[in-house]
Amino acid sequence: EVQLVESGGGLVQPGGSLRLSCAGSGVTLSTHYTHWVRQAPGKGLVWVAHINVDGSRTNYADSVKGRFTISRDNAKNTLHLQMNSLRVEDTAIYYCARGRAGAGNSMEVWGRGTTVTVSS
Amino acid sequence: DIVMTQSPLSLSVTPGEPASISCRSSQSLLHSNGYNYLDWYLQKPGQSPQLLIHLGSNRASGVPDRFSGSGSGTDFTLKISRVEAEDVGVYYCIQNLQIPLTFGPGTKVDIK
Repeated sequence: EVQLVESGGGLVQPGGSLRLSCAGSGVTLSTHYTHWVRQAPGKGLVWVAHINVDGSRTNYADSVKGRFTISRDNAKNTLHLQMNSLRVEDTAIYYCARGRAGAGNSMEVWGRGTTVTVSS
Repeated sequence: DIVMTQSPLSLSVTPGEPASISCRSSQSLLHSNGYNYLDWYLQKPGQSPQLLIHLGSNRASGVPDRFSGSGSGTDFTLKISRVEAEDVGVYYCIQNLQIPLTFGPGTKVDIK
């Protein structure tokens, strides 16, 4: 089955850190832009970050800039999101998504998400 | 940042009837290459989002032809020619012209 699988979510205290991962199964990540998008409970979708094919260029939402780092390991067909200084408002389902070939910001393949809960 | 708005925010539709959702952006999404950097996604209940329309009017792979996207600049429309029960969920537009990418608030569609 063609899918993206996120992992690494969990419960963490404010100020703590988590590292999310996204692995491609039957899906090649290494040749596409890839993104993280989050969804707080009962809320809409919010774009978090993206990374280009070779990892040389990254962009972030202002709300996570300086705290989150997106990276990729093309040899392992994997995407990561290092999340530091976590806040209660970072609580959400985090989805990874692969961009379309040639139009990397259109997200054509999505994972099922991993849940991050920031609470004391 | 480019602000995206959608209307209506909720929509109740009779199966077989058409439906239309409007999306507006605070800045033009028309690039100098002639493409509008506006996509539509559907998030069905309990599922991840799925790409429906990219670059304003191009159906993604596997998307039924009852879905169509139109518009240019700052005004866009998603139309469903004949709504089916499987079309329920929340529809989002997103601009991907400029960083940060920004989603609209979503339009919840249910069946009467």
